[in-house]
Amino acid sequence: GAVVSQHPSWVICKSGTSVKIECRSLDFQATTMFWYRQFPKQSLMLMATSNEGSKATYEQGVEKDKFLINHASLTLSTLTVTSAHPEDSSFYICSAINSGRTGGTQYFGPGTRLLVL
Amino acid sequence: GESVGLHLPTLSVQEGDNSIINCAYSNSASDYFIWYKQESGKGPQFIIDIRSNMDKRQGQRVTVLLNKTVKHLSLQIAATQPGDSAVYFCAEYTGGFKTIFGAGTRLFVKA
Repeated sequence: GAVVSQHPSWVICKSGTSVKIECRSLDFQATTMFWYRQFPKQSLMLMATSNEGSKATYEQGVEKDKFLINHASLTLSTLTVTSAHPEDSSFYICSAINSGRTGGTQYFGPGTRLLVL
Repeated sequence: GESVGLHLPTLSVQEGDNSIINCAYSNSASDYFIWYKQESGKGPQFIIDIRSNMDKRQGQRVTVLLNKTVKHLSLQIAATQPGDSAVYFCAEYTGGFKTIFGAGTRLFVKA
């Protein structure tokens, strides 16, 4: 149980295009999901907290108009990188908290590698 | 700002030996800590957690120690195996389940 999937697993796009990444909790409901970005040989950096049915909460320095987050259901959050540029190339990872359990353990997705040419 | 950091960026151990990965944290108000394992190209995998009202917790081949006095965490892996090779992150929960990750330690297991 507690499986989180991401789609796509990798994507290559041209500079200036937008890319949507999906994060799904497959066997549990998640009112809260998180989006992280990880550059090579670095740690995970929290970008935003995605809350079902409300606006996402962004960390300082993360542009909310560039990284659009939608958490429209209890099992799906999407991250859209708008007008992507090469510096947005990174490994994007989501996590989800099981709403039906106490403790707040985060379950991580497998990540999405984005390469912007 | 608050941060969680690691003393050693890399650790190389012989197969069968025990591994110890260390972590220092700075937020004295944090009450929940987690160790994650991340293999190349994959998301973090939960290993073990510990709450601040404990100083030791054991799992299968892994033990986490918490020293609140000096704000220090360690992960001990017994009988390290090649499959343990990965990057290990300590993390602390701040309010609202937000997680702050440390810098990470890469563990190399030599056969």
